Amino acid sequence: SQQGEEDPQALSIQEGENATMNCSYKTSINNLQWYRQNSGRGLVHLILIRSNEREKHSGRLRVTLDTSKKSSSLLITASRAADTASYFCATEFYTDKLIFGTGTRLQVFP
Amino acid sequence: DGGITQSPKYLFRKEGQNVTLSCEQNLNHDAMYWYRQDPGQGLRLIYYSQIVNDFQKGDIAEGYSVSREKKESFPLTVTSAQKNPTAFYLCASSSGVRTGTSYGYTFGSGTRLTVV
Repeated sequence: SQQGEEDPQALSIQEGENATMNCSYKTSINNLQWYRQNSGRGLVHLILIRSNEREKHSGRLRVTLDTSKKSSSLLITASRAADTASYFCATEFYTDKLIFGTGTRLQVFP
Repeated sequence: DGGITQSPKYLFRKEGQNVTLSCEQNLNHDAMYWYRQDPGQGLRLIYYSQIVNDFQKGDIAEGYSVSREKKESFPLTVTSAQKNPTAFYLCASSSGVRTGTSYGYTFGSGTRLTVV
């Protein structure tokens, strides 16, 4: 079963623009994580936000979490062509088992 | 450098054969995981292990088997009972179980399995 649903499924923007991806999930969580996957490669951990946190920043990344709505968003500011990848949210329960969403494919045009 | 190594990168299997995918980590992580990814889709959990000599089924364990005899190694066998094994397989590890705090997973670079 997949816990999260990302929206949109695909996103195309120009370099320099901001990219926003949303994630909704179904049940209570311990934390929510965002990962990036370049085509045909493994996943890279970007950022983790705990259930008692509402916002977190890391470089050009900003993540928000709304546990009342069971949703999260990932904002990438000033996008670059190198940001082109698929982005996944994943939720972790207290059993330390990550459940992934369906992903957003981001294309950044130079 | 610490990390996770998956091998081989590409693997071809004939109908009715069992194949084993290797996953080795030198991060001293207690927990290891196997995920399957189909084209254009998210990751689905096959098996996971939080401690040596113990493992649990994930959402799609049928047709797969694992072992965890060493902390560093978590091989996955795709058996002939798996009817649709063509997919991208990803191994991951984490330290969260023992510390009680999660810092995210570290992933290998994946094995692409194709049935021929």
